[in-house]
Amino acid sequence: QSALTQPASVSGSPGQSITISCTGTSSDVGGYNYVSWYQQHPGKAPKLMIYDVSNRPSGVSNRFSGSKSGNTASLTISGLQAEDEADYYCSSYTSISTVFGGGTKLTVL
Amino acid sequence: EVQLVESGGGIVQPGGSLRLSCAASGFTFSSYWMHWVRQAPGKGLVWVSRINTAGTSTSHADSVKGRFTISRDNAKNTLYLQMNSLRAEDTAVYYCARAGRFLDYWGQGILVTVSS
Repeated sequence: QSALTQPASVSGSPGQSITISCTGTSSDVGGYNYVSWYQQHPGKAPKLMIYDVSNRPSGVSNRFSGSKSGNTASLTISGLQAEDEADYYCSSYTSISTVFGGGTKLTVL
Repeated sequence: EVQLVESGGGIVQPGGSLRLSCAASGFTFSSYWMHWVRQAPGKGLVWVSRINTAGTSTSHADSVKGRFTISRDNAKNTLYLQMNSLRAEDTAVYYCARAGRFLDYWGQGILVTVSS
């Protein structure tokens, strides 16, 4: 049940695109197409942004997209906006547990 | 509207016990797996436990195994987390979340502080 590995921080200017990586193992990220991504603003509950690697829930902007290659999943945010500044967490479902990444703080410059 | 409301948090001494509850509404509770996730102050999200729809299958993180027990009462639309032998490192905001393979709705969280 080791945490997935994410960069501690990323930054970008308004209008730019950024990508956050999430690295696991063949027992979690690489073994299942069940990676999800969550956005969390300070003092708020997390919000689901991407599920099953690349699917967006209703109401989530199409500026958010997800992908996976091998044991690494990625979240891309295009056309950065000030409101995107938040913490982002990846997660992987497995048959015996669920595991989160350590989180990435996104700063919009 | 889906709502998840946690209760039962507070301050407890090391070695003590606490039971968290999560009242669900706005969806068919008995049709969904449910999870508990916690977040220590200034830290990231950590998965704690999950339970299947009938309450017959549970899973816990190694850090809480043997001390925490997740359960549910589908007649009362309520999820529980019984926490025993609490430690300082269990101090966190605890969230309940509706889930299958992903957590699509979260409660607002409840603070548990373990301190003497």
